[in-house]
Amino acid sequence: GEDVEQSLFLSVREGDSSVINCTYTDSSSTYLYWYKQEPGAGLQLLTYIFSNMDMKQDQRLTVLLNKKDKHLSLRIADTQTGDSAIYFCAEGRAGNMLTFGGGTRLMVKP
Amino acid sequence: EPEVTQTPSHQVTQMGQEVILRCVPISNHLYFYWYRQILGQKVEFLVSFYNNEISEKSEIFDDQFSVERPDGSNFTLKIRSTKLEDSAMYFCASSPSGGIGTGELFFGEGSRLTVL
Repeated sequence: GEDVEQSLFLSVREGDSSVINCTYTDSSSTYLYWYKQEPGAGLQLLTYIFSNMDMKQDQRLTVLLNKKDKHLSLRIADTQTGDSAIYFCAEGRAGNMLTFGGGTRLMVKP
Repeated sequence: EPEVTQTPSHQVTQMGQEVILRCVPISNHLYFYWYRQILGQKVEFLVSFYNNEISEKSEIFDDQFSVERPDGSNFTLKIRSTKLEDSAMYFCASSPSGGIGTGELFFGEGSRLTVL
């Protein structure tokens, strides 16, 4: 079945760039998503990319998609302490049945 | 900004009891979903709902689960007879489209269910 994998943990210093990586297995994915979850909160849609795109930039966020390698990354420029959270990668097909990764906990040190 | 709202935020129940989790999707959205996240595990798809019927459901969504849109605004998930393993955070989500439209899928803050 479909699977999405992420590393568990990433620690960066405030002001540095963060890069969170994700791999997925379903080649029929239509959209790939990044969600942010702060402690005790829900899943906040950060950004998403259509599967025929290579890159999408949205302010401090850059998403790169390598469809051949089924690799997705999220780069956060000028990472702030408020960016500390769990970041979930998800892949979706028509019907919006998303398959989520296990989440990467980003810790930003001042 | 429009958002998906869920109630209750936390419910504690005894095993075997019925539970109803409620959601108010974003008002102009047409597709509704329930996902769940067992503590320490991945977020998992349960069911999608469109035009007053289930579109897709996962293996998790067995006969003890049901969904309903009783009044055109609320979207509910009922667990008929709760088991210990139903303890999880349940997320409602809504989308303006279910196909390859905008791709936007918005989640609520979740309802934490604890079954004792």
